[in-house]
Amino acid sequence: QVQLVESGGGVVQPGGSLRLSCAASGFTFSSYGMHWVRQAPGKGLEWVAFIRYDGSNKYYADSVKGRFTISRDNSKNTLYLQMNSLRAEDTAVYYCAKDPGNAAMDVWGKGTTVTVSS
Amino acid sequence: QSVLTQPPSVSAAPGQKVTISCSGSSSNIGNNYVSWYQQLPGTAPKLLIYDNNKRPSGIPDRFSGSKSGTSATLGITGLQTGDEADYYCGTWDSSLSVPWVFGGGTKLTVL
Repeated sequence: QVQLVESGGGVVQPGGSLRLSCAASGFTFSSYGMHWVRQAPGKGLEWVAFIRYDGSNKYYADSVKGRFTISRDNSKNTLYLQMNSLRAEDTAVYYCAKDPGNAAMDVWGKGTTVTVSS
Repeated sequence: QSVLTQPPSVSAAPGQKVTISCSGSSSNIGNNYVSWYQQLPGTAPKLLIYDNNKRPSGIPDRFSGSKSGTSATLGITGLQTGDEADYYCGTWDSSLSVPWVFGGGTKLTVL
């Protein structure tokens, strides 16, 4: 079945780094754009980043631009989010989501939790 | 402050109908398809509506979507206690600074 599984979350000090992974299965990963979306505790959804199916274009929210990098390895069916210079306000559950080609996210992972705290 | 505006909460009794609005601008809703997501407590969001008014396989026809100009609406009929959740609208935005936007979310309470 179509599935996305995030990993790599954890507790990190302010200024630190983490790399999140999103393993895809059950669909042709290399054919679809992918998103990262986060949700801070008790807050709404915040879009973080998007990468086209072939990695040719990447887009970021202003809040993470210059600190986070989205990438993908289509040979490994895996999406990544490299997070540097982490701040307390980056504390959230991070979800990866598949983009079917229109304005929607049709498959979501269960999320991985990132906590930035000293 | 979200780019797309939703009411923070709505409520209705079981069996009744409720609508949730999502207001945007010409740079987002006005020129793009809208999607809607349901997030049950403690779970990941799930796609409810795409392309303004289409339902993915497995989504009951109690859920419907519409769009007019720069606003979109999610409708839910025959409310069930299991529909209690947070609902979000989302779409692309032509603004280069914020390519994708979500609404702030609406908490649905089934009384």
